[in-house]
Amino acid sequence: LLVESGGGVAQPGRSLRISCAASGFAFEDYAMHWVRQGPGKGLEWVSSISWNRDSIVYANSVKGRFSISRDNAKNSLFLQMNSLRVDDTALYYCAKIRNAKWLVDAFDLWGQGTMVTVTS
Amino acid sequence: EIVLTQSPDFQSVTPKEKITITCRASENIGSSLHWYQQKPGQSPKLLIKHASQSISGVPSRFSGSGSGTDFTLTINSLEPEDAATYYCHQSSSFPFTFGPGTKLDIK
Repeated sequence: LLVESGGGVAQPGRSLRISCAASGFAFEDYAMHWVRQGPGKGLEWVSSISWNRDSIVYANSVKGRFSISRDNAKNSLFLQMNSLRVDDTALYYCAKIRNAKWLVDAFDLWGQGTMVTVTS
Repeated sequence: EIVLTQSPDFQSVTPKEKITITCRASENIGSSLHWYQQKPGQSPKLLIKHASQSISGVPSRFSGSGSGTDFTLTINSLEPEDAATYYCHQSSSFPFTFGPGTKLDIK
């Protein structure tokens, strides 16, 4: 199970930190990802972090503004979002990779999402 | 960045029909192509992995094929609960990308 939290309303230029609590699997063995979906739009991959934090990747649209991290002891994934823009408005999903220790693969478990709205 | 295109954008079908959705990649991605189903108000659900590999618990009427740049998702004998938007996704290289989606309406 993946449960996101921390979403809300923020003004452009401000920051927000969202979280994802994992349970029911060995969180420390799996790469985790953030995927977002703007209102009425399709899916957009945002960022990925390997099981051991050795590999971290960002979409160009968020590079330099967003930071992904994880706490394996607390089975938690985070996304620190700085310098927010109106076009960051979206439902943010955390997603688990299918195979342990892999960074790239299909996403076999998704959370329900947490909504981030950026508006002045 | 690998661009994925899907067709059709939208299709309205009747129960028990068969539908094929195509996904085309802008470059060779081997079999690193996955399909998801998203119903309104729900998170995406993995249907097919690596182009043609089935997922436990997914009905057998869902199947995938293809490799390289051209892929298809076939749904045989459509059920009313198959009304959803279907997305393809490539994990061949970063940035991961998704197709724009195919919205399926069941009459």
